[in-house]
Amino acid sequence: SYVLTQPPSESVAPGQTARIPCGGNNIEIKSVHWYQQKPGQAPVLVVYDGADRPSGIPERFSGSNSGNTATLSISRVEAGDEADYYCQVYDGSGDLWVFGGGTKLTVL
Amino acid sequence: QVRLVQSGTEVKKPGSSVKLSCKASGGTFSDNVLNWVRQAPGQGLEWMGEIIPVFNKPTYAQKVRGRITISVDGSTGTAYMEVSSLTSEDTAVYYCAQSKGGSHSWDSWGQGTLVTVSS
Repeated sequence: SYVLTQPPSESVAPGQTARIPCGGNNIEIKSVHWYQQKPGQAPVLVVYDGADRPSGIPERFSGSNSGNTATLSISRVEAGDEADYYCQVYDGSGDLWVFGGGTKLTVL
Repeated sequence: QVRLVQSGTEVKKPGSSVKLSCKASGGTFSDNVLNWVRQAPGQGLEWMGEIIPVFNKPTYAQKVRGRITISVDGSTGTAYMEVSSLTSEDTAVYYCAQSKGGSHSWDSWGQGTLVTVSS
């Protein structure tokens, strides 16, 4: 089955850019979705299909996907961006959906 | 955007079953797909299965296949997931989430239901 790998944690200073990687075999051919989850809340979609943003999500959130790594970037990081971030892809064989293990973003 | 409302907290004994519900505001899932995931305490998201309400066709994750049943009542716009033979490893928050099917993202999520399995 398909495996997505994320670092358990990332740290960034306010105002800087956070980059959260999601590794998978030839992930560039897949549609990657990203979710933000704050403590005690349900996940919220922040980027879909690799680089698109749902309405209401700030332009500071962006995504890219190349080779074996997809990346969620958050520019001008704010304290309110502190959360867990999960990448997700549709595999279609075995288990239909796969999530990365999640990355806890800490704003210093 | 469709709002999903889930049933309340459950406390169950090992070996028992639990049936969770997820109701769509407006009383219909339209042509969307309804997914279920769970999150054990301090852990990540684990996909459990999905159902295409229009066809009442479920698909299950390998890990839980045979132990869960996903169904839908189209007349009320409510989806259900029943988990049987509960163990402490099933203690988790269970979420339903909606997508347009295929590889489309999940754009609406329920608030989650905490299930605690304890003797």
